[in-house]
Amino acid sequence: DAGVIQSPRHEVTEMGQEVTLRCKPISGHNSLFWYRQTMMRGLELLIYFNNNVPIDDSGMPEDRFSAKMPNASFSTLKIQPSEPRDSAVYFCASSLSTANTEAFFGQGTRLTVV
Amino acid sequence: AQSVSQHNHHVILSEAASLELGCNYSYGGTVNLFWYVQYPGQHLQLLLKYFSGDPLVKGIKGFEAEFIKSKFSFNLRKPSVQWSDTAEYFCAVNVRGSARQLTFGSGTQLTVLP
Repeated sequence: DAGVIQSPRHEVTEMGQEVTLRCKPISGHNSLFWYRQTMMRGLELLIYFNNNVPIDDSGMPEDRFSAKMPNASFSTLKIQPSEPRDSAVYFCASSLSTANTEAFFGQGTRLTVV
Repeated sequence: AQSVSQHNHHVILSEAASLELGCNYSYGGTVNLFWYVQYPGQHLQLLLKYFSGDPLVKGIKGFEAEFIKSKFSFNLRKPSVQWSDTAEYFCAVNVRGSARQLTFGSGTQLTVLP
């Protein structure tokens, strides 16, 4: 398996633009997580899905952020409009939603909003 | 909600020195415990995990961790570090039998001097 695949790896955009980050989980995994990593706040869980359904989005910072999982093999995290403080590395992770399993992380998307 | 504390923010060691990184968690119930490593510019990779059984867990690359329930601790150890161990190390927990999202500590940056 190729692991969790995220695209793009790097994104530079201007303030106010829409940004869409993409994630393909490991085949067969039915839980998917979006994390944000910054120097100031470390790793923060933004949202997670179980069987394509959002379970907990309490970590989504504000309404500018939205996430979807239209099917078991694809998820998006969208920021509209983007702001410089959104600059961070965004990680997607997936796991099996059964007991005693770990999460596998993608390579991350480094987002820079200028 | 659970929380994780890593008290060492930056540790600097010489090669062959022994390593111990502290991790304490706060949660009244049963948790699964993890250590992840993030090499410079890379994604998080699992070092080791504890679900149940022997509280001394061995992971990859010579790392081990001991779960001490009475102290709510899961410290990471390695008897002799190498320059290639330079990375950031994250302790994480999730709640057994419930949601699967990981709560991460703030991370410890380990620098090993050659």
